Order: sequence, then structure tokens, then C-alpha cells
Amino acid sequence: GAVVSQHPSWVICKSGTSVKIECRSLDFQATTMFWYRQFPKQSLMLMATSNEGSKATYEQGVEKDKFLINHASLTLSTLTVTSAHPEDSSFYICSANPYDDNGGEQYFGPGTRLTVT
Amino acid sequence: AQKVTQAQTEISVVEKEDVTLDCVYETRDTTYYLFWYKQPPSGELVFLIRRNSFDEQNEISGRYSWNFQKSTSSFNFTITASQVVDSAVYFCALSEAWGRGGSEKLVFGKGMKLTVNP
Repeated sequence: GAVVSQHPSWVICKSGTSVKIECRSLDFQATTMFWYRQFPKQSLMLMATSNEGSKATYEQGVEKDKFLINHASLTLSTLTVTSAHPEDSSFYICSANPYDDNGGEQYFGPGTRLTVT
Repeated sequence: AQKVTQAQTEISVVEKEDVTLDCVYETRDTTYYLFWYKQPPSGELVFLIRRNSFDEQNEISGRYSWNFQKSTSSFNFTITASQVVDSAVYFCALSEAWGRGGSEKLVFGKGMKLTVNP
């Protein structure tokens, strides 16, 4: 089956620093990947849609300059949280859909837990 | 706009009880997909089912069953003879149909925390 990995699985950083999270599709290619954020005891909220070879599409209210997304290849998308602050502490989850799959199933990564101190 | 409502936020049952998780959705599209995901304490989302809007057949998979009713815009999920391992947060989600040149984002309900006590 399709596998999506994320790295790191958890990270603790100091306020003001930047953190990069990687999302990889291990056994399939994905032209589109999605980044979600989940605060404790809340639902998943889509942050942005990452498109290979083009700019990401951000949801309303998500700062594109703070959450930098790069989708440089068909198997890798990265999310960089710039100048992180404690309020950015959250669980970040990516998902991917195989580019030749019109069936609609998205495969989710295991998530990255970010704690900003 | 698309919307998914899971009215129940938390349910606690005793092992072997049956439990139904409600999901009501809103969409203007005639073609769409509905999903259920399980999120155990580890955090990783576990895919349970995908159903397209043209397939209203109910589905059973072991102790899990799903009831899709377009007339009421509902896609309810029932766990029969619940077990402690079923304890998790369950999300219902909706997406517009593919086939328009790319993937579509998922809109999630708020989730329902199920606790199954021994």
C-alpha cells in the first residue's frame, strides 16, 4: 500500500527559530500534497495545498510567509515554520494522493509534533 | 461551502456495547467522496472507508458498518460489540470529486472521542 512518511516525528525548538518538516511519499508519486494542522483535542484544519513545481495554495488565514511550503519533487514536500512561536505548537500532518489515482483516497503521514518553547 | 458535522463530541461505552457515530454533511456538489478515519492516541490517522456519492449501498467490514443516506446527507458509522482497542477519535470527512485534473482537499468534522471501558 501507499506509504507517506514525515520527518521528524517530533521536534522541540526555541521561540524565534525555524523548523523544517519533510513529507515523503515512499512508494508512489504525488503531484499534490496537503498540509494539515491539528491543535490538541481539535480537528484537522487544512493549511495549504502543495503542488509539485508550482506555488502552494494557502487556506484563508494561513500566513504564507510564516509557513513556507516547497514541493520540489513528486515525492517530497517540505513545510518550514519560520520564526516559530509557542502558539505554533501543534501536530502537523501531511497527506498525498497518487497522481494517477482518481479514486480520491489520500494517504496520511504519521504526523509531526512541534513544541515551541 | 462544504461542511461536516459530527454532533457528538465524546461517547463512553462499556465493552461489547454497540455504538453509532453520526456524521452529517453539506455540499453543493453532486459528486463527492465521504470518508471515516480513526485517530488513536498515537496520532496517526487510520483510513477506515471511502464512499462516493453514487454508491449508497451500506457496507459492513467485520464489526464496522456504515449507513450512507443521501436523502438525509448522513454517513453514520456503527461499531458492533465494541472493544477497548476501538478507543480513539473518529473523524468523518468530505471531499469534492476528483476527475478535474487534481486532488481535492478534505474537510473534516470536529471528531468524536470514543472511550470503550472494559
